[in-house]
Amino acid sequence: GNSVTQMEGPVTLSEEAFLTINCTYTATGYPSLFWYVQYPGEGLQLLLKATKADDKGSNKGFEATYRKETTSFHLEKGSVQVSDSAVYFCALKAGTALIFGKGTTLSVSS
Amino acid sequence: DTAVSQTPKYLVTQMGNDKSIKCEQNLGHDTMYWYKQDSKKFLKIMFSYNNKELIINETVPNRFSPKSPDKAHLNLHINSLELGDSAVYFCASSQRGLAGRLGSYEQYFGPGTRLTVT
Repeated sequence: GNSVTQMEGPVTLSEEAFLTINCTYTATGYPSLFWYVQYPGEGLQLLLKATKADDKGSNKGFEATYRKETTSFHLEKGSVQVSDSAVYFCALKAGTALIFGKGTTLSVSS
Repeated sequence: DTAVSQTPKYLVTQMGNDKSIKCEQNLGHDTMYWYKQDSKKFLKIMFSYNNKELIINETVPNRFSPKSPDKAHLNLHINSLELGDSAVYFCASSQRGLAGRLGSYEQYFGPGTRLTVT
């Protein structure tokens, strides 16, 4: 079946540090891959997406590359800010619904 | 303009009660969803409707009954509430698109309804 595994949190970083949140997936066919972000007390917002192998999604300094050979979609940002503190969800969509990873909490301190 | 809205934002109720959560989207999408987020932040699909037709019905107790009066609305009714139903419920919508391109259409989420059963 389809599933998403992402690194357990919490991840605690200082401002301007480099961020990587690992995400791997298992899927039949060719899913689209997404990163969603949930700020405290809010709903989910789409951060970036990639719909086919080797696509790179990017937004707000975050980026992730769809790697079919390693079934991965790791999220990276070169320099995090305090305002990036949130929960990040990796997700895949191979049919109608999204299948989410368990979420990774990021906490950035100044 | 709010794209996907839910009411109420907070709902506190006692075990055994029946309650409803409403969702509306003004994006012109044809597919709507309900997700449940538990206390550990884990998100799981519950139901999905496409043009008022149920297309996803995960293993959810039959105390939960979705209703879609039109493609812009998807309500969730819960009977005989239990402590374990306490969670945040998110509504979402998307445009389903053509067969073969189902996967690329992003979902837009509402702000969530925090349900607390005491």
